[in-house]
Amino acid sequence: KNEVEQSPQNLTAQEGEFITINCSYSVGISALHWLQQHPGGGIVSLFMLSSGKKKHGRLIATINIQEKHSSLHITASHPRDSAVYICAPDTGNQFYFGTGTSLTVIP
Amino acid sequence: NAGVTQTPKFQVLKTGQSMTLQCAQDMNHEYMSWYRQDPGMGLRLIHYSVGAGITDQGEVPNGYNVSRSTTEDFPLRLLSAAPSQTSVYFCASSYVGERSPLHFGNGTRLTVT
Repeated sequence: KNEVEQSPQNLTAQEGEFITINCSYSVGISALHWLQQHPGGGIVSLFMLSSGKKKHGRLIATINIQEKHSSLHITASHPRDSAVYICAPDTGNQFYFGTGTSLTVIP
Repeated sequence: NAGVTQTPKFQVLKTGQSMTLQCAQDMNHEYMSWYRQDPGMGLRLIHYSVGAGITDQGEVPNGYNVSRSTTEDFPLRLLSAAPSQTSVYFCASSYVGERSPLHFGNGTRLTVT
């Protein structure tokens, strides 16, 4: 049983394009996290949200609790955005993790 | 502020050998956890702890042991390494009782031959 589904699995974009990564989950959550992992690198937390929308620079995360869906948007994508993006619903007792979306931004 | 420190970064073991992966955090987080990351799969929880003296099993605990004698440290022990334990291991920590981001270590790439 897959509690978290991310789409797409892989994404290639030209520099400057608008990117959307989707996450659907089946568990009840207290928060949802978006994580970023660069190739061969560690994992960093980008966003933690429990409702609405958050924005950090060119990154925007939205969540619809009723529909159990979250999206991560990247505006004006740049090659340094190339990474794996992981959706992680947090039930308050446990974190679940999607398999990640691998993003490559071509100059 | 060091955050979560994980050592070693790389390790090669022969089948049957034992080793300990170290994890330390300096943020006074109650919650600490170990995950393994394999190609095509999400992070899978091995063991976790919500405070000193308290540990519990996650999704894939077999072949691994943990202890939590202090708030800061949460070592992961492989008692008798198997090729199926070849993976990238991450330690992570956060606060308990409030919504809090997970802070990850830089990972350990383990190969068992």
